[in-house]
Amino acid sequence: GAGVSQTPSNKVTEKGKYVELRCDPISGHTALYWYRQSLGQGPEFLIYFQGTGAADDSGLPNDRFFAVRPEGSVSTLKIQRTERGDSAVYLCASSLNTQETQYFGPGTRLLVL
Amino acid sequence: SQQGEEDPQALSIQEGENATMNCSYKTSINNLQWYRQNSGRGLVHLILIRSNEREKHSGRLRVTLDTSKKSSSLLITASRAADTASYFCATVDSSYKLIFGSGTRLLVRP
Repeated sequence: GAGVSQTPSNKVTEKGKYVELRCDPISGHTALYWYRQSLGQGPEFLIYFQGTGAADDSGLPNDRFFAVRPEGSVSTLKIQRTERGDSAVYLCASSLNTQETQYFGPGTRLLVL
Repeated sequence: SQQGEEDPQALSIQEGENATMNCSYKTSINNLQWYRQNSGRGLVHLILIRSNEREKHSGRLRVTLDTSKKSSSLLITASRAADTASYFCATVDSSYKLIFGSGTRLLVRP
């Protein structure tokens, strides 16, 4: 079946702009996660959804970051007033439940100029 | 913050040789997973080993887990040029977050 998909693949924006990054999880996966990966580092947890609710948003760096999953499937990560330090690859993953394998999408590479 | 440390940070071997990567972590875990990443994009899941398991095999991959030493190793046998990638270990504790190490960059020379 189809894997996790993310759009766009690449996003270039200017400092101060607003961006939205989209994630389509594997069908039937109730758990959805967002991670951020900076160059040369491993991914770092941002937020986790179980169904429609954000069960844990403790990894979001500040209140410029927000994510939603209104119907329990597609999720959107929203970044307001982008800063150059937000440049990274944003990865989305989904799993059947929290103790099983997380399957990752190809990521969105965000560049803030 | 990152939980684990991979060792070595970079590894260069000849095609056909075996590659061994090590991962150490700090807290109690439920399971440990190994992922592969090409060109800084999507992560491909390789293998999951639970805290009550000591060794697991999948094709040319062999993973060991020593919870007393809080360490794991990934062995790739008979390496191929296509195995060139970054390899990450990630731990899962009683929560659900994957806590990644900083990765090992493997280069397999043809």
